[in-house]
Amino acid sequence: GAGVSQSPRYKVAKRGQDVALRCDPISGHVSLFWYQQALGQGPEFLTYFQNEAQLDKSGLPSDRFFAERPEGSVSTLKIQRTQQEDSAVYLCASSLARVGAGEQYFGPGTRLTVT
Amino acid sequence: AQSVTQLDSHVSVSEGTPVLLRCNYSSSYSPSLFWYVQHPNKGLQLLLKYTSAATLVKGINGFEAEFKKSETSFHLTKPSAHMSDAAEYFCVVSERTGFQKLVFGTGTRLLVSP
Repeated sequence: GAGVSQSPRYKVAKRGQDVALRCDPISGHVSLFWYQQALGQGPEFLTYFQNEAQLDKSGLPSDRFFAERPEGSVSTLKIQRTQQEDSAVYLCASSLARVGAGEQYFGPGTRLTVT
Repeated sequence: AQSVTQLDSHVSVSEGTPVLLRCNYSSSYSPSLFWYVQHPNKGLQLLLKYTSAATLVKGINGFEAEFKKSETSFHLTKPSAHMSDAAEYFCVVSERTGFQKLVFGTGTRLLVSP
């Protein structure tokens, strides 16, 4: 079946522009995660949804970052007034499990470059 | 707070020789531990996971890892490297309860030469 998809795969934004990154999780997966992977680093947790509820947003680096999952399926990560330090790969993952060590399936990521 | 330390940023091996990627973890709770692999331009793929069962965990593609609580280690091994194993490997920790927020190490790049 289809895996996690993300779009766009690449995004170039000028500093100050707003961007929206989309994640389509595996159908039926309850949990959805966003991670940020800077160049040469491991991914870092941004936020977590269980269905449409955002249960943890402790990893969002500033109030310029906003995520939503209004119908409990597709999710959008929005970054307002982008800055150069926002340049990274943004990864989305989904999981069938609500809690515990259910496997997270990752999408290919969106590479954001802010110029 | 949880964290993982991957002791080598790069590991180079010859095809057919053993692979050892080292990882130490820190966790206030009984952790779940994972190894993920990331090939260029591909998504992260789960190699194996440890939750609370057997301390020696077998994963895909011939990889395995051993959970050693006394050493707070979770090293990844493979008896014989293949060219296709060349990739970035991440050691990951999460709490065993609650939702599964993953904490990644900085990664180890495995280079395999013919």
